[in-house]
Amino acid sequence: EAGVVQSPRYKIIEKKQPVAFWCNPISGHNTLYWYLQNLGQGPELLIRYENEEAVDDSQLPKDRFSAERLKGVDSTLKIQPAELGDSAVYLCASSLDQGGSGSYNEQFFGPGTRLTVL
Amino acid sequence: AQSVSQHNHHVILSEAASLELGCNYSYGGTVNLFWYVQYPGQHLQLLLKYFSGDPLVKGIKGFEAEFIKSKFSFNLRKPSVQWSDTAEYFCAAPGGSQGNLIFGKGTKLSVKP
Repeated sequence: EAGVVQSPRYKIIEKKQPVAFWCNPISGHNTLYWYLQNLGQGPELLIRYENEEAVDDSQLPKDRFSAERLKGVDSTLKIQPAELGDSAVYLCASSLDQGGSGSYNEQFFGPGTRLTVL
Repeated sequence: AQSVSQHNHHVILSEAASLELGCNYSYGGTVNLFWYVQYPGQHLQLLLKYFSGDPLVKGIKGFEAEFIKSKFSFNLRKPSVQWSDTAEYFCAAPGGSQGNLIFGKGTKLSVKP
């Protein structure tokens, strides 16, 4: 079974440039998460999707960050414009939540995209 | 505010030493607790989880964790560590919206051969 796929693995951009990250979850997983992980910290949730619906985007800085999950499968996270402080690892995770909204099932993580903003 | 605290930032042990990593959470609802591990160069993966029942849960690779409700703790243990246990360990508990997890800052474990 293929795991969560993310691309690119690494991205270096100059500040004020746009950047996009792509995530393909495990087949059949209905819940998809985007996390931000700064050096020396644990993952912090940015947005959670259940199928194509963003059920929690309260931690997403909406002035510059946007995300979409068309057709409830792949997802894209975008930053426009990027700032120096956005340098971090962006993780995508997915889970199969048969227990309905708000259940706590194992999350499967991708390798992450390491973003460096110069 | 809901939070997860991991007491140790970096732990260095020799092989065969016993391990205990501390985790405290602040959450008054239904308890769902997790330990995730990230081996060097690999993805975050689930080590073990507690939802209900026996407060001592066993995970992969000989790890176990004990849920102590009165102390809001979920410490991770292993009787005898191996060099291959070198990794970063993250505790997680419910936080924010229903279904969301809050992760601790992580504890880096270095095992000397």
